[in-house]
Amino acid sequence: DAGVTQSPTHLIKTRGQQVTLRCSPKSGHDTVSWYQQALGQGPQFIFQYYEEEERQRGNFPDRFSGHQFPNYSSELNVNALLLGDSALYLCASSGEGRFTDTQYFGPGTRLTVL
Amino acid sequence: SQQGEEDPQALSIQEGENATMNCSYKTSINNLQWYRQNSGRGLVHLILIRSNEREKHSGRLRVTLDTSKKSSSLLITASRAADTASYFCAETSYGKLTFGQGTILTVHP
Repeated sequence: DAGVTQSPTHLIKTRGQQVTLRCSPKSGHDTVSWYQQALGQGPQFIFQYYEEEERQRGNFPDRFSGHQFPNYSSELNVNALLLGDSALYLCASSGEGRFTDTQYFGPGTRLTVL
Repeated sequence: SQQGEEDPQALSIQEGENATMNCSYKTSINNLQWYRQNSGRGLVHLILIRSNEREKHSGRLRVTLDTSKKSSSLLITASRAADTASYFCAETSYGKLTFGQGTILTVHP
């Protein structure tokens, strides 16, 4: 049973560029959440997708956008990259759209903005 | 924004000792979850305790929840070097996880 997968593992971009990160949820899960984790900090919630709609959003600017596909996989897009966007981006999936389910995390994508 | 605090920020113990980490939170919760993270990798789910539960066990882990004090604790018994990691509690409210800054646990062999 495949867990949550993310690609790429590492990414280096320069300021002003755009980036797309990808996530495939755990088998049987239909809800995907994205988190940003800066070095030495706990993860911060970016947004959550369910039934191809953004269901909740954290305190992140509109430069951060996402998408969920019919197969439940998801993308995180970040435009006009800033140095402060350098972080580990984590994807988590949970099942059946319930608010109270355990979220299972992928290994993350390490984004470095130069 | 992050809410809640974990205490201590860092903990160093010897193998075989018990490790206790505490977490405080600020909002009403559906449940509270504990996660482990090794060396900046993905988070591994350890245990979920619902808001109507007071204590839960899983192997060497024991979690307590006091909703009146808005606090939780994670006890790892008979620690092993492999338990060395960062531990985070996360409030769950309507599907959104809000993490603290974590406790860095180092277990010396």
